[in-house]
Amino acid sequence: DAGVIQSPRHEVTEMGQEVTLRCKPISGHNSLFWYRQTMMRGLELLIYFNNNVPIDDSGMPEDRFSAKMPNASFSTLKIQPSEPRDSAVYFCASSLGLGRGYNEQFFGPGTRLTVL
Amino acid sequence: AQSVAQPEDQVNVAEGNPLTVKCTYSVSGNPYLFWYVQYPNRGLQFLLKYITGDNLVKGSYGFEAEFNKSQTSFHLKKPSALVSDSALYFCAVRDSGTNAGKSTFGDGTTLTVKP
Repeated sequence: DAGVIQSPRHEVTEMGQEVTLRCKPISGHNSLFWYRQTMMRGLELLIYFNNNVPIDDSGMPEDRFSAKMPNASFSTLKIQPSEPRDSAVYFCASSLGLGRGYNEQFFGPGTRLTVL
Repeated sequence: AQSVAQPEDQVNVAEGNPLTVKCTYSVSGNPYLFWYVQYPNRGLQFLLKYITGDNLVKGSYGFEAEFNKSQTSFHLKKPSALVSDSALYFCAVRDSGTNAGKSTFGDGTTLTVKP
């Protein structure tokens, strides 16, 4: 299995530009999570989906952030417009069975976003 | 509500010595507990978990953790540390008594093993 796949691995953009991060979860996993990691704030859960439906987006920092999961094998996290304070590493993770809370999460390698 | 605390930002041990990384939790129901490790420039990797049963859980790379319900703790241990164990370690908890699908992660503990 290829694991969770994220693209791009690195993204450098200028303030005000739109940024789209992509994630392909592990086949068969029906829960998907988006996290952001910074030195200052640590690991933050932004949003998670179960069976392609957003369950909890309370961690999304503001309206500039949006996430979609159009099908079981693809999700996007979009920032529009981007700001320097959005610079962070963004992780996608997937797991099997939201109702089975004992299942561990599998993390992708992350996307390192730098907004100039 | 569920929460988890890792009281130490950093743990330093000498290679070959035993190591302990501490974690305490708070949940309403019974906990599901997890340890993850993050190496530089990598995503988090699952190490081990406690669901129910034996309080001593064994995981990857020789790590183990002991669930202590009375002390609400789930400390990560290894009998003999390796330099390659140096990494950032996260404890996570999920309350089995709720339908919430998300785990709450601690702030992480940086483990440094010196030769």
